[in-house]
Amino acid sequence: DAGVTQSPTHLIKTRGQHVTLRCSPISGHKSVSWYQQVLGQGPQFIFQYYEKEERGRGNFPDRFSARQFPNYSSELNVNALLLGDSALYLCASSLPQDRAGSPLHFGNGTRLTVT
Amino acid sequence: GENVEQHPSTLSVQEGDSAVIKCTYSDSASNYFPWYKQELGKRPQLIIDIRSNVGEKKDQRIAVTLNKTAKHFSLHITETQPEDSAVYFCAASIGSSGSARQLTFGSGTQLTVLP
Repeated sequence: DAGVTQSPTHLIKTRGQHVTLRCSPISGHKSVSWYQQVLGQGPQFIFQYYEKEERGRGNFPDRFSARQFPNYSSELNVNALLLGDSALYLCASSLPQDRAGSPLHFGNGTRLTVT
Repeated sequence: GENVEQHPSTLSVQEGDSAVIKCTYSDSASNYFPWYKQELGKRPQLIIDIRSNVGEKKDQRIAVTLNKTAKHFSLHITETQPEDSAVYFCAASIGSSGSARQLTFGSGTQLTVLP
């Protein structure tokens, strides 16, 4: 079975630009979460979506937005990029939490570099 | 919000020895505690998790213990092998209805197993 897939794998953008990152969850998973991982740190929660609704938002500015589509794939959008947005952006999918054994499964991430 | 502290930040052990990584959390409502292994340039991979209704869980050479009263949990790796070398992250989350799950990660432990 395919795992969580993310695209693109690498991206270089200039300050002030906009970026869209994409994620396809594991088949059957309806929940998608986004995390930012700065080099040398643990992942930080950005958003969670379930059944196309936002179910959680981390401490990130409004420049960050996301959505989930009817096929449960998701996009993360970041506007007005700053140098500090350079990081590995991880997408994770899971079954509904009330199902037993529903851990988060991460994709390989998108490495974003802002210059 | 939840805060997770992880120690040590680096750990070197001889092959065959045991390794212990410790984490503390701040929110007594947290009820799910996963551990992830992340090799250089790769995605975090779930290695073991524990829920708050269980005090200990073991999977071959890996075990996790949870002390809810003290709000700390630990990862134990026995008979370490060079392929165990990686960064290990602990995390905690609060379960709630509506499939919302937000993981708060520790800062990571770089484990090096010396041959």
